[in-house]
Amino acid sequence: GQSLEQPSEVTAVEGAIVQINCTYQTSGFYGLSWYQQHDGGAPTFLSYNGLDGLEETGRFSSFLSRSDSYGYLLLQELQMKDSASYFCAVRDSSYKLIFGSGTRLLVRP
Amino acid sequence: DADVTQTPRNRITKTGKRIMLECSQTKGHDRMYWYRQDPGLGLRLIYYSFDVKDINKGEISDGYSVSRQAQAKFSLSLESAIPNQTALYFCATSDPRDRRSTSQPQHFGDGTRLSIL
Repeated sequence: GQSLEQPSEVTAVEGAIVQINCTYQTSGFYGLSWYQQHDGGAPTFLSYNGLDGLEETGRFSSFLSRSDSYGYLLLQELQMKDSASYFCAVRDSSYKLIFGSGTRLLVRP
Repeated sequence: DADVTQTPRNRITKTGKRIMLECSQTKGHDRMYWYRQDPGLGLRLIYYSFDVKDINKGEISDGYSVSRQAQAKFSLSLESAIPNQTALYFCATSDPRDRRSTSQPQHFGDGTRLSIL
């Protein structure tokens, strides 16, 4: 079977750094993606790791360790607008995505 | 204008009715997907299509059917709706020729909120 695990909820303070972890058990792993979804909105692509290591995109970074079946999304200099749900998603060999259940991030002033 | 347009945005209907959700895109992407989102369960893949002649079942296809009428149009049908199909439905597209080809990001429509009474 295929499964992804991520925390259901995380709370952090504006200006702080937060890390959202994702562990996975899948077959045919090709890479790990991260999507952001604001309440009532559509998921939007944030980041992708096809190889081990860190990918940085502005305030957001994503990390992958294939040997540990583990990745994380790091959000720096948190802003109120970062309050949203964050989904990790494994890409399989046929380019399908298998999504985790999502982590709701609440940023407090 | 949105690149991926879903209609209707909201729909309330009764058990047993046939419903069609439509998705059209102006991105020129070959690949299209239908997902369902339930609270606490993330997005689950219902059907996907990699070109007009290619239709594939996803994780939860039972009770659903699809039609790829053209490269730009991909419709999802519920032949006889039941209450546990109440959910938020998303259409998405991706392009194997995307310049970020290793990432293959998917581009989502704004969703259809479907309630079946």
